[in-house]
Amino acid sequence: DVVMTQTPVSLSVSLGGQVSISCRSSQSLVHNNGNTYLSWYLQKPGQSPQLLIYKVSNRFSGISDRFSGSGSGTDFTLKISRVEPDDLGVYYCGQGTQYPLTFGSGTKLEIK
Amino acid sequence: QVQLQQSGAELAKPGTSVKLSCKASGYTFTSYYIYWVKQRPGQGLEWIGYIYPGNGGTYYSEKFKGKATFTADTSSSTAYMLLGSLTPEDSAYYFCARRGHNNVFDYWGQGVMVTVSS
Repeated sequence: DVVMTQTPVSLSVSLGGQVSISCRSSQSLVHNNGNTYLSWYLQKPGQSPQLLIYKVSNRFSGISDRFSGSGSGTDFTLKISRVEPDDLGVYYCGQGTQYPLTFGSGTKLEIK
Repeated sequence: QVQLQQSGAELAKPGTSVKLSCKASGYTFTSYYIYWVKQRPGQGLEWIGYIYPGNGGTYYSEKFKGKATFTADTSSSTAYMLLGSLTPEDSAYYFCARRGHNNVFDYWGQGVMVTVSS
């Protein structure tokens, strides 16, 4: 199975600040078709996860451009700029390249 | 708009089964996979597997083979997951989600809490 390792486990940021979350996979996430199926999700308190970013750097419908994804191969990053109160929750990376699908263990974002 | 509406919370005894439902609306049910995900309270996300309602095809993560069984009723656009031989380790939130075109979980149900206790 592909192991997804996220860092840090938690972080605290001031409103208006910027944060980065790292996600590393134990194997390359480049699919045979050339696509890299790395996604980012946010789970707000008491809610189901929501899709933010797909295929490394593509924002899902309705997602603010304050969220950006980058990376390749096995090393990926989610950046959140101009942090707002509604951004708090747990962020997960997930891979869709190989079955079984797997997720990182999550990064909890707190607002100072 | 795409919606996935899950059934209500379940309280079950060890050794019994529960059947969870996930009713889809706002899109063509038979054209998208339905994924199922487990999340123990305060823990991360664990993928259980999928069903493709278009042909009933299923796939189970190795860990959940024999534990979960997926079915789908195309007439009501509803996917089901049967969890059998329940143990306290099965106590968790269970989410259904639609697989989008880019191998992502693009829309999620609200989740259902299953509690296994004698």
